[in-house]
Amino acid sequence: NAGVTQTPKFQVLKTGQSMTLQCAQDMNHEYMSWYRQDPGMGLRLIHYSVGAGITDQGEVPNGYNVSRSTTEDFPLRLLSAAPSQTSVYFCASSYGTAGVTEAFFGQGTRLTVV
Amino acid sequence: AQKITQTQPGMFVQEKEAVTLDCTYDTSDPSYGLFWYKQPSSGEMIFLIYQGSYDQQNATEGRYSLNFQKARKSANLVISASQLGDSAMYFCAMREGGRIKAAGNKLTFGGGTRVLVKP
Repeated sequence: NAGVTQTPKFQVLKTGQSMTLQCAQDMNHEYMSWYRQDPGMGLRLIHYSVGAGITDQGEVPNGYNVSRSTTEDFPLRLLSAAPSQTSVYFCASSYGTAGVTEAFFGQGTRLTVV
Repeated sequence: AQKITQTQPGMFVQEKEAVTLDCTYDTSDPSYGLFWYKQPSSGEMIFLIYQGSYDQQNATEGRYSLNFQKARKSANLVISASQLGDSAMYFCAMREGGRIKAAGNKLTFGGGTRVLVKP
């Protein structure tokens, strides 16, 4: 039972480079989302998906793209990395029903843009 | 306006004592859920407890309980009998909207409270 798996765990990028953060879940969850956590702050929603083929923007979507071609995978693409995107990124998934439906989080990806 | 406010950036608590972490929220949606997560120094996010806006009773999970005061829009976390392993950041989060199928499981987080348990 892997849960939510994020790769890589650490990444250093140069300004202007692009990359994809991978997220996979094996719990058959309908909902997946990406958050970023800046130092000393709470998590902020970047993009989310309510099912395969459906994505939408969160609070801080600029500079990021997502797609959801399968239930399991929800990659986050950085189009042209900027130092302001230095952060820890968390992927989360949950069931699509009302009630508790707590989000299960991956271990995070620590990204540094130089 | 801040939707989730945690006014205590950090606090110390003596081992075996209880500690209360404050959380106030702001929403006009009658249907919402409140979550508490723990983030130890290793960085992972661990779900602790949930309170729904229509729940009549305060939620409890082991040593964790949630003091839900709907009229005051507060959802304070109480940790009883603190242990050294409780040292961590604690985040309060809210999900708005009863129509979860459309709204998704979008969480708004507070800034967190760092708890350090002293032996």
